[in-house]
This record gives sequence, structure tokens and C-alpha cells, in this order.
Amino acid sequence: EPEVTQTPSHQVTQMGQEVILRCVPISNHLYFYWYRQILGQKVEFLVSFYNNEISEKSEIFDDQFSVERPDGSNFTLKIRSTKLEDSAMYFCASSGSGGGYTFGSGTRLTVV
Amino acid sequence: AQSVTQLGSHVSVSEGALVLLRCNYSSSVPPYLFWYVQYPNQGLQLLLKYTTGATLVKGINGFEAEFKKSETSFHLTKPSAHMSDAAEYFCAVSVMNRDDKIIFGKGTRLHILP
Repeated sequence: EPEVTQTPSHQVTQMGQEVILRCVPISNHLYFYWYRQILGQKVEFLVSFYNNEISEKSEIFDDQFSVERPDGSNFTLKIRSTKLEDSAMYFCASSGSGGGYTFGSGTRLTVV
Repeated sequence: AQSVTQLGSHVSVSEGALVLLRCNYSSSVPPYLFWYVQYPNQGLQLLLKYTTGATLVKGINGFEAEFKKSETSFHLTKPSAHMSDAAEYFCAVSVMNRDDKIIFGKGTRLHILP
């Protein structure tokens, strides 16, 4: 069964540093998403991406965040200057038509 | 806008007993509805989803859910709980006929008592 692959599975970074979280969506999917889950809390939508541009973003997705699909297969989330409160599990997802969402296994980001 | 309410942040059932996790949704358009399970320190696994058609949806691991439009509910059930069912369960909603974001509920942690 096709999978959404996320790397790394766990990243530790110092406050103020830039991080890039990587995702390889399912190859024939056209819609891509990032979600965040702070420890012990619910999963929150960050951003959706379609046709090489952001289609929707949440209030969480401020100027510190950006997304990119650099090469037609990868989908990245960049946090420019990490804060302690950015520590969370970040999930990538992709979908085709008809609600066929698939989530990756997540990247646990720890900001110290 | 869509929203999801999960009643009970923690639910405890005895092994072998019925599991019932409650979910109510709000949506101005026909929804897609989902249940996801998350085991400790792991990702999100789709249990089942409702898109169209039959309102009783069967999923993995013996779980099922029924879409009741009149009650705006999508409760998750399993006839007989197993110790391995202990996990966090998230109900979620999306917009039908669009590949839109998923809105998650706050989750219900299911505890299985021996």
C-alpha cells in the first residue's frame, strides 16, 4: 500500500535555528498538507498546498513557516527561527480525490 | 466551518466489554467523517471513514461507526474490547467533494481494564 514518508523521525534543534522537515507524498496525489500535534493535544491543521501554491493556511502558520515542493516529489516544511513552543509532532499528509487522505508517521521536533 | 466534539477525554472499559466513543460534528455541507487511532509515540492510523452510501461503516480491528445525519453523530463502537485497543482515538471531519483540510476532535483516550 502506498505510504507517505517523513524524514527525519525525530529532530532536536536549538532555539533560533532553522529546521526543514521533509515529506514524500504518494506519487499520484495532488493535495499536500502539514499538521501539528503538541504533546498531549489534538492534531491541528497548518497548511494545504495544491498546484504549487498554498491553498489554505491556519493562524498557526505565520511568517516563520514556509512550504515548498522543490522537485516534484518532496514536500517540505521550513521553520525559520524555531521557538520552544514549536516542539511538537509534525504530520505530513497527501490526498487524491474523494477524501483519500494518507498521513505520514510524523517527525517529532524538539526545540531546546 | 466544520467542527468536531468528542465527549469524554478518557473512557475506561473492561476487556471484553462494549467500546463506545462518542463524536458529534458540525458542518454546513455534507461531510466526510473519519476515525483515527494513535498508539503511544506513533502516527495516525485510519480506522474507518464515511464518505457516501451506507451509513454503517466497518473499519479495521473490529471497529465500526454509524453516520447519523439527524443526530450529527458518528460514534465509534466495538463489541468486545481487547487490551491492544488501548490508545488515543480521534474523530475528524472534512468537506465532501473537496480535498480539504481535516478538522480533528480533541481525542479520547481509551483505557482497557483487565
